[in-house]
Amino acid sequence: LAKTTQPISMDSYEGQEVNITCSHNNIATNDYITWYQQFPSQGPRFIIQGYKTKVTNEVASLFIPADRKSSTLSLPRVSLSDTAVYYCLVGSNQAGTALIFGKGTTLSVSS
Amino acid sequence: EAGVTQFPSHSVIEKGQTVTLRCDPISGHDNLYWYRRVMGKEIKFLLHFVKESKQDESGMPNNRFLAERTGGTYSTLKVQPAELEDSGVYFCASSRPGTGAYNEQFFGPGTRLTVL
Repeated sequence: LAKTTQPISMDSYEGQEVNITCSHNNIATNDYITWYQQFPSQGPRFIIQGYKTKVTNEVASLFIPADRKSSTLSLPRVSLSDTAVYYCLVGSNQAGTALIFGKGTTLSVSS
Repeated sequence: EAGVTQFPSHSVIEKGQTVTLRCDPISGHDNLYWYRRVMGKEIKFLLHFVKESKQDESGMPNNRFLAERTGGTYSTLKVQPAELEDSGVYFCASSRPGTGAYNEQFFGPGTRLTVL
């Protein structure tokens, strides 16, 4: 199973762009990269998923280099409400696959 | 659509007692999962149902834990007897049926279990 490594914590100010990088050197050919967000007293929430290159949705962008050994979650113009823990997960994208969580990155956004 | 709901939100019991946690998945989601986070640790997978069948229970810590999903709708997770190390937050998640799905799992808010 591919292990992920990401910063324990990051600080930012409102309006800034935040980039959280995740390392996954042992990613398998069939693995996808998925990011979840978790607010206090809530369960994790899916943000974005990708396999290679770049994926963008209304919440974030995900950049994946050609070797797929790392990925970067980009949050444009963060606000106070983006303060949360962000998890980088690597694994199959097939329904029914157990998610493997690491420690995540605690993002703190201040004004 | 209504989200995944869990009951109770908090439970405080004494060591040796029994507790039953309940999860109601999103309607139509055949896949149901249980996860937990014990103090200071990562969120860990416990088990996975497809409808009423257990597909993977490799994460269940021991035989004090019993999960059921009668009728393929809601699920219960019983801990009997509870031990101190069972304290933590228990999450339930559900996802759509297979074939082409991309495994987005929808999590409930969790049940915080405290064993004294």
